[in-house]
Amino acid sequence: GQQLNQSPQSMFIQEGEDVSMNCTSSSIFNTWLWYKQDPGEGPVLLIALYKAGELTSNGRLTAQFGITRKDSFLNISASIPSDVGIYFCAALDSNYQLIWGAGTKLIIKP
Amino acid sequence: NAGVTQTPKFHILKIGQSMTLQCTQDMNHNYMYWYRQDPGMGLKLIYYSVGAGITDKGEVPNGYNVSRSTTEDFPLRLELAAPSQTSVYFCASSYSEGSPLHFGNGTRLTVT
Repeated sequence: GQQLNQSPQSMFIQEGEDVSMNCTSSSIFNTWLWYKQDPGEGPVLLIALYKAGELTSNGRLTAQFGITRKDSFLNISASIPSDVGIYFCAALDSNYQLIWGAGTKLIIKP
Repeated sequence: NAGVTQTPKFHILKIGQSMTLQCTQDMNHNYMYWYRQDPGMGLKLIYYSVGAGITDKGEVPNGYNVSRSTTEDFPLRLELAAPSQTSVYFCASSYSEGSPLHFGNGTRLTVT
């Protein structure tokens, strides 16, 4: 079946550093979504992308819908302690089935 | 709005017991979903519903049942609990297919 390959699996970064993570697939999708999950809570939507090539920002977060419709990227600039958590990509196929990546765990080194 | 509310937050179940995980939403969303989350595995869809009276299987439905008698509520039932059902369960809702999902805070279930 369809799957999303999300990388990296985890990241250790210093406060203030920029962060990049991505999701790739061999399948084409119509919508890409990025969620963040804090400990003990459900995922919360960060950014939704609806068009190939689209670049969308939400504060320090920027995400792009890849031109091939098979990938997406999330960048976080100037990371702060509250950025820690697990980031999930998700993609919607033509049957409106939502496929999830396995998550990228972001840890900020003290 | 409370959004999506799940109860209980935590539960320990013995093998073979049954229980119902509750989920309710106050956003008048037609679509509701149950996911399970295992470490390093992302979210797997168990069941979903596109409206009251309509339910359908997701990717991993075995061992579970659901019902949707009202728009607001979408309970998930485990009939004969097994250790493989130890997981964190998330309920979610959306306005329509293709709309972003709103999640509850999860139920952490341990089956021993």
